[in-house]
Amino acid sequence: AQSVTQLGSHVSVSEGALVLLRCNYSSSVPPYLFWYVQYPNQGLQLLLKYTTGATLVKGINGFEAEFKKSETSFHLTKPSAHMSDAAEYFCAVSVRSNYQLIWGAGTKLIIKP
Amino acid sequence: EAGVTQFPSHSVIEKGQTVTLRCDPISGHDNLYWYRRVMGKEIKFLLHFVKESKQDESGMPNNRFLAERTGGTYSTLKVQPAELEDSGVYFCASSQSSRELNEQFFGPGTRLTVL
Repeated sequence: AQSVTQLGSHVSVSEGALVLLRCNYSSSVPPYLFWYVQYPNQGLQLLLKYTTGATLVKGINGFEAEFKKSETSFHLTKPSAHMSDAAEYFCAVSVRSNYQLIWGAGTKLIIKP
Repeated sequence: EAGVTQFPSHSVIEKGQTVTLRCDPISGHDNLYWYRRVMGKEIKFLLHFVKESKQDESGMPNNRFLAERTGGTYSTLKVQPAELEDSGVYFCASSQSSRELNEQFFGPGTRLTVL
């Protein structure tokens, strides 16, 4: 069975500072990994995904994530936070044999001026 | 191109009543998914349609929940009778093909409150 753990229900960073949102997963088979973002009053939007190949994945809005198999991690980073990044971020995993997404609990990113 | 739409955006009902949520996927998307997020918890998978067929309904919590996708277009999720623990945000998503792993596009969700 697959599971996802996101460390920290809330993360607060200053504008311009590094953003680091942590995600660890467990999966008995090679996983597909995703980060989704939900801005206030909007639906979930895909930020980036890892399927196969290059382990450093670049997404929209300057975000990237690195798949580290040995650490079972897929942490999300952005070098410089912007006020518009304030949102809730979700890490999710799926496997080839079924396509349901298994989700972490979400992390609310707060940007301080 | 229109995205995934869901109706209503909010619904407040009393325990024991019936509610029907609707999802219109992106045109041409064969795959339709329902997910639910109970307050403070993670998003949970409910079920997956391929066209009008239920591919996987392992996440449906109990038989008070009935999902349909007649004609393989829009889908409805009926809760009858609603209980307090059914409160949460119900998300619908669609994707083009399940032969490869395709991105799931999500609707804005329906916030259901059962009093």
